[in-house]
Amino acid sequence: LAKTTQPISMDSYEGQEVNITCSHNNIATNDYITWYQQFPSQGPRFIIQGYKTKVTNEVASLFIPADRKSSTLSLPRVSLSDTAVYYCLVGESNTGGFKTIFGAGTRLFVKA
Amino acid sequence: NAGVTQTPKFQVLKTGQSMTLQCAQDMNHNSMYWYRQDPGMGLRLIYYSASEGTTDKGEVPNGYNVSRLNKREFSLRLESAAPSQTSVYFCASSERQLAGYTFGSGTRLTVV
Repeated sequence: LAKTTQPISMDSYEGQEVNITCSHNNIATNDYITWYQQFPSQGPRFIIQGYKTKVTNEVASLFIPADRKSSTLSLPRVSLSDTAVYYCLVGESNTGGFKTIFGAGTRLFVKA
Repeated sequence: NAGVTQTPKFQVLKTGQSMTLQCAQDMNHNSMYWYRQDPGMGLRLIYYSASEGTTDKGEVPNGYNVSRLNKREFSLRLESAAPSQTSVYFCASSERQLAGYTFGSGTRLTVV
């Protein structure tokens, strides 16, 4: 199983771009990379998912290099409401069953 | 409102008591999951159901059982609660395995 490693915490200011990197050195061929956001006392919320290269949606971009051993979640122009914990998830599904590994999460604190 | 509904939101049990956590989704998703989250930690997969009629163990299944009652409902049962099962439990669903999850708001369980 691919274990993920993320920074424990990050600080930013409103209006800045924030990049959070997740390391997954042992990622397997079948693994997808998914990022979630979690506010206190709430369940995680899906942000973005990718397999390789770059994926963009209305809230974030996900950059995955060719070796896929890391991924970077990019949040453009953060606001105070983006203060949350961000989780990187690497998951695979094969004949051996379905396994997911959540990272410990990165606590992002956005300041005014 | 569409989404994943978990009941109850809070529960206190005595060691050795049993209880069932209920989860229902109204998005016609095929896959459903149960996670636990302990303070300062990421989410760990307890059990999952890839499709109606199937269930499989995740990372931490000991002490738990599940039932996929129908496509909408997936329950988690603690037969004999232990203090080590004090945690926040999240149910989630997805259209298929590895698609983005929709999480419920969680059940905060305390075993004394």
